[in-house]
Parts: sequence; structure tokens; C-alpha cells
Amino acid sequence: GQSLEQPSEVTAVEGAIVQINCTYQTSGFYGLSWYQQHDGGAPTFLSYNALDGLEETGRFSSFLSRSDSYGYLLLQELQMKDSASYFCAVKGSGNTGKLIFGQGTTLQVKP
Amino acid sequence: SAVISQKPSRDICQRGTSLTIQCQVDSQVTMMFWYRQQPGQSLTLIATANQGSEATYESGFVIDKFPISRPNLTFSTLTVSNMSPEDSSIYLCSVLSAGGMETQYFGPGTRLLVL
Repeated sequence: GQSLEQPSEVTAVEGAIVQINCTYQTSGFYGLSWYQQHDGGAPTFLSYNALDGLEETGRFSSFLSRSDSYGYLLLQELQMKDSASYFCAVKGSGNTGKLIFGQGTTLQVKP
Repeated sequence: SAVISQKPSRDICQRGTSLTIQCQVDSQVTMMFWYRQQPGQSLTLIATANQGSEATYESGFVIDKFPISRPNLTFSTLTVSNMSPEDSSIYLCSVLSAGGMETQYFGPGTRLLVL
């Protein structure tokens, strides 16, 4: 089967840096994705890592270590609007495109 | 990117009834999915909507409860049948980006409350 673990909640202050970790167990690995979801909104794609290393997109970066079955999302220069839920996700077995999501991490940014 | 709309955006239904949710995409897409998100929870895949053939259901979801149609490459429906309060949830459709398998775009969701 496939499972992902991430912290349920993280709190940080505006301007700070926060790291949200994700460990996974999969039968076959086709990449780790991160999605952001604001309360009442739809999930939106943030990043995707298929290979080891760091991918940077503006204030957000995502890291993957396939040997450790581990990844993280790094958010820099936190803003109040970054308060949301963040989900890591892996592709389902057979690389069919479907996603299996972690339970999500609720990030609260305080002034 | 893909722009996805869903109807209805929300509904309140009586137990025992059925509701059909529509998902419309602004471009042709090969793969379309239906997810459920219960309050405060993560997203759980219900099924993959296949154009021209039956949907592929995940473990724990069956066609009799969640029949799905996919008549063309831009449209799909999900029906929640014989509803109970446990079906109260947000139902989201999603599609894969055209260029590859890396990005999924989600519709705004349908908030369903079953009384």
C-alpha cells in the first residue's frame, strides 16, 4: 500500500521560514508533489520533485531524498496569506496520474 | 493550465436521495478524477473517470454508490446515490495537466450536506 506522514499543525510568525516534512511509503515511486489549500478553496499545485534535490519556485522550495523516502516543503519570508493547509502527495501505483495525499499540515502564520 | 467548474457549488439534501455533480473543463483532457474531502480531512480518490468506458474505482468505493459518467473529454458527472449523513463532504473533480503527469488542477468543489 501507500502512505504518507506529515505533521498535523505548524505555527510560525510572519517573515520566518518554516519547513513541512513528509515521509512516504509507496510501492513504486513516481514523484512527490505539494499542494496548498486555503480554507474553503480548492487545492492548488505548488511543486513536484521526481529526482533528488531542491526545486525552488519563488518563496517556496521543495526537497526530495528518494533513498530516505522523505521530502519537505520550505516556505520562506512567510506572509499571513500563507496560512493554509499543505498536502504532500505521491502518484498512485502504476504511474496512472492519480494522487495519494497525506493528511495535510495546517500552517498558521502569526503577526 | 485548466479551468474547471463544478455544479452545484453546494447543496443540502435529504437522506435517501441522490445528487449528481457536474464537472466541466475548458479544454480536452485525458485523465479526470473525482476526490472526496471530508471536513477537516485530506483528499481521498473515489475514481478515475475514463472517457468511453467505465470508471475505475478505488478500494472502498463502488459504482452503485458513486456512478460516474464521462461522455467526452471535457465533461464528467459524479452521482452520490442513496445518500446518508456520512456522505456529507466536499467532492472535487480534477484533471491532469496536458504536458505531463506532474500537475493536477482541481475544481472549486461541491459542498454536500446530507440531513
